[in-house]
Amino acid sequence: DSGVTQTPKHLITATGQRVTLRCSPRSGDLSVYWYQQSLDQGLQFLIQYYNGEERAKGNILERFSAQQFPDLHSELNLSSLELGDSALYFCASSVVPGGQQFFGPGTRLTVL
Amino acid sequence: AQRVTQPEKLLSVFKGAPVELKCNYSYSGSPELFWYVQYSRQRLQLLLRHISRESIKGFTADLNKGETSFHLKKPFAQEEDSAMYYCALKAGGTSYGKLTFGQGTILTVHP
Repeated sequence: DSGVTQTPKHLITATGQRVTLRCSPRSGDLSVYWYQQSLDQGLQFLIQYYNGEERAKGNILERFSAQQFPDLHSELNLSSLELGDSALYFCASSVVPGGQQFFGPGTRLTVL
Repeated sequence: AQRVTQPEKLLSVFKGAPVELKCNYSYSGSPELFWYVQYSRQRLQLLLRHISRESIKGFTADLNKGETSFHLKKPFAQEEDSAMYYCALKAGGTSYGKLTFGQGTILTVHP
């Protein structure tokens, strides 16, 4: 699959725990975006990286952090998890910032 | 700050009927507007963008700057159009490209 991939597909964990979501962009895409989709907040932009550097930040909690590695894959780390963090987390990528974004299938996080 | 509003959470029509999904935005500059669609068990994908002025799968959308709207229209809905539709805005003048999404509208087309 040459599109955006995300692992794992599903993640169930307990409050207070820490998880890492992984995203591999499309081949050739240098920019990665993370979005959170929840029932009450809808689809919200979290953070963006371009070629390893953070470029833009949205409504991302301090308990959340992300990075983009030299091979361009990105990880979103969520810590001290709360029930309200249960959501679908999407990753998207584009060739350059501002380019058309292609979305991954998402990781569904359930915090119990 | 930019904001996108989709007033209808749910929209139901019958096959062959016209459909219009509403989208209003607020942004002081020159935005780029998009419609994304998410079919059941599939990933979010771009349907169309206002700068292209294209028709995709029979859907069109016109940016009305006076009314700050970007409604999505199709004259004859098909069952396969049933999906979640998101209107999104990208602020102009930035190279970052972050998208601000509306809450989404679930369209159901009945046979």
